[in-house]
Amino acid sequence: NAGVMQNPRHLVRRRGQEARLRCSPMKGHSHVYWYRQLPEEGLKFMVYLQKENIIDESGMPKERFSAEFPKEGPSILRIQQVVRGDSAAYFCASSQGTGGRVHYGYTFGSGTRLTVV
Amino acid sequence: KNQVEQSPQSLIILEGKNCTLQCNYTVSPFSNLRWYKQDTGRGPVSLTIMTFSENTKSNGRYTATLDADTKQSSLHITASQLSDSASYICVVSGLLSNDYKLSFGAGTTVTVRA
Repeated sequence: NAGVMQNPRHLVRRRGQEARLRCSPMKGHSHVYWYRQLPEEGLKFMVYLQKENIIDESGMPKERFSAEFPKEGPSILRIQQVVRGDSAAYFCASSQGTGGRVHYGYTFGSGTRLTVV
Repeated sequence: KNQVEQSPQSLIILEGKNCTLQCNYTVSPFSNLRWYKQDTGRGPVSLTIMTFSENTKSNGRYTATLDADTKQSSLHITASQLSDSASYICVVSGLLSNDYKLSFGAGTTVTVRA
């Protein structure tokens, strides 16, 4: 039973390009969360999705950032027209149910490190 | 606003020694508290999860304690090894229906030296 799979592990983009980050949740998990981590800082919540629905995107910048979790396939975090400030590690987590509850589990992927040059 | 404060920010210990990390939180009503270990360049990995009724939980050389009355938790590392060098993150979950975001501490960076 593979864990949460994120790809690519490392992504380099020039300013103005688009970045697409993928997250495949653990088998049996239908809830996905995206977090951003800047160097020397803690994880910051971005968006919470269930299959085909965005539940909470309050932590995601309103411009240039979007997320989806289609019926089939991985969850995608898309950053358009990247800027140097977007350089960070982006982590995905998944759970069986609403993540706060102990028995639903809450498992992180290894992250995607985005570097904007 | 729910907050999680960790201390110290970083510490250096010699291999074989013990250390204790602290976590104070204001999340209320409280559901559970987790300690994660995050190796450099990796995602966080769960070490322990404690609910309101649990005072202590161990995972190998890691022992977590919880005082829900004072809203404090600690993570004790016994007989440290070089592989314990990592960031340790305290994460608290509330009981409300929208408490899926979890509240993250900034982490304590532990460096174990030979």
